[in-house]
Amino acid sequence: AQSVTQLDSQVPVFEEAPVELRCNYSSSVSVYLFWYVQYPNQGLQLLLKYLSGSTLVESINGFEAEFNKSQTSFHLRKPSVHISDTAEYFCAVRDFGNEKLTFGTGTRLTIIP
Amino acid sequence: DGGITQSPKYLFRKEGQNVTLSCEQNLNHDAMYWYRQDPGQGLRLIYYSQIVNDFQKGDIAEGYSVSREKKESFPLTVTSAQKNPTAFYLCASSAGTGNSYNSPLHFGNGTRLTVT
Repeated sequence: AQSVTQLDSQVPVFEEAPVELRCNYSSSVSVYLFWYVQYPNQGLQLLLKYLSGSTLVESINGFEAEFNKSQTSFHLRKPSVHISDTAEYFCAVRDFGNEKLTFGTGTRLTIIP
Repeated sequence: DGGITQSPKYLFRKEGQNVTLSCEQNLNHDAMYWYRQDPGQGLRLIYYSQIVNDFQKGDIAEGYSVSREKKESFPLTVTSAQKNPTAFYLCASSAGTGNSYNSPLHFGNGTRLTVT
């Protein structure tokens, strides 16, 4: 069965500093991987996704994530964060052929001015 | 603009009452989902539907019921049997079914239910 672990529940980072949000998954088959972002009192928005091909995927607002099959990880990174990046970030996994998407428990990113 | 509409945004009920949360989508998506979000627990799947007139239980279906009479609509009823109904409820949809399931989910803005 698929599962997702986000090790850090909260990550405080100074503005313009780099950040890495960690995500590890468990699955016995091929997977699709997603990062979603949630701003206060809103639904989730897709940030980026890995389906196949290049293991490094990027979003339009400077985030990137790298699929590492050997380490079963899909960590999210940004080289320089902004106040507007303050949000909760969720990693999600879906086994190939499985209609269910499993979410991690989320990481709350707080940007310190 | 296409999207998912959840209503109302805030809902208050007395314990023992059933309540129905609305979810409508105009994305022409086949699949729809209901998740419950609690602080520190992420999102947990309640029910999902891949096609009209069919739906499956998720991981925490007890105390909830759904219907899928139209492609656009997937209402969720929180019954009095649900022991801890106060939570943030999120509806989502996706285009793909079939073997690959690589379509991302699109979410509504949620309904915050408070039961006292």
